[in-house]
Amino acid sequence: DAGVIQSPRHEVTEMGQEVTLRCKPISGHDYLFWYRQTMMRGLELLIYFNNNVPIDDSGMPEDRFSAKMPNASFSTLKIQPSEPRDSAVYFCASSLTGSLFFGSGTQLSVL
Amino acid sequence: AQSVTQPDIHITVSEGASLELRCNYSYGATPYLFWYVQSPGQGLQLLLKYFSGDTLVQGIKGFEAEFKRSQSSFNLRKPSVHWSDAAEYFCAVAGTGGGNKLTFGTGTQLKVEL
Repeated sequence: DAGVIQSPRHEVTEMGQEVTLRCKPISGHDYLFWYRQTMMRGLELLIYFNNNVPIDDSGMPEDRFSAKMPNASFSTLKIQPSEPRDSAVYFCASSLTGSLFFGSGTQLSVL
Repeated sequence: AQSVTQPDIHITVSEGASLELRCNYSYGATPYLFWYVQSPGQGLQLLLKYFSGDTLVQGIKGFEAEFKRSQSSFNLRKPSVHWSDAAEYFCAVAGTGGGNKLTFGTGTQLKVEL
């Protein structure tokens, strides 16, 4: 298996623009997680899904953030409009038996 | 709510020396515990996990960790560190109530001196 695949690896955008991050989980995994990593706040859980259904989105910082999982093999995290304070590394992870497997992350820079 | 404390932000060891990274957790019952490693520019890789049973668990790359309920600890150890072990290490806890939701510590940056 190729592991969790995230795209793009790097995204540079200007404040106010829409940003969409993409994730393909490991086939057969029934949980999908979106984390954000910053120097100041460390790893924060934004939202997670079970069988494509959002279970807990309490970590989503604002209404500007939204996440979808239209099917078992694809999820998106959207920021609209983006702000400089959204600059971070965003990780997607998937799980079947409790152990999370992470993608390589998307480095987002909002100028 | 579950939480994890990693008291050491940075640790430096010499290559070949032994290593112990500390992790303390807070959870009302027996938790699921994990150690992950992150190299620069990479995602997190699972080193080992504790769900139940033997409190000494073996992981990849020669790492091991011991669950001590009385101390609410899950320290990571390696008898002889290699230069390639330099990375950031994260301890994480999940509740056994399901949901696979992990809470991570703030990480310990390991530097290995040659």
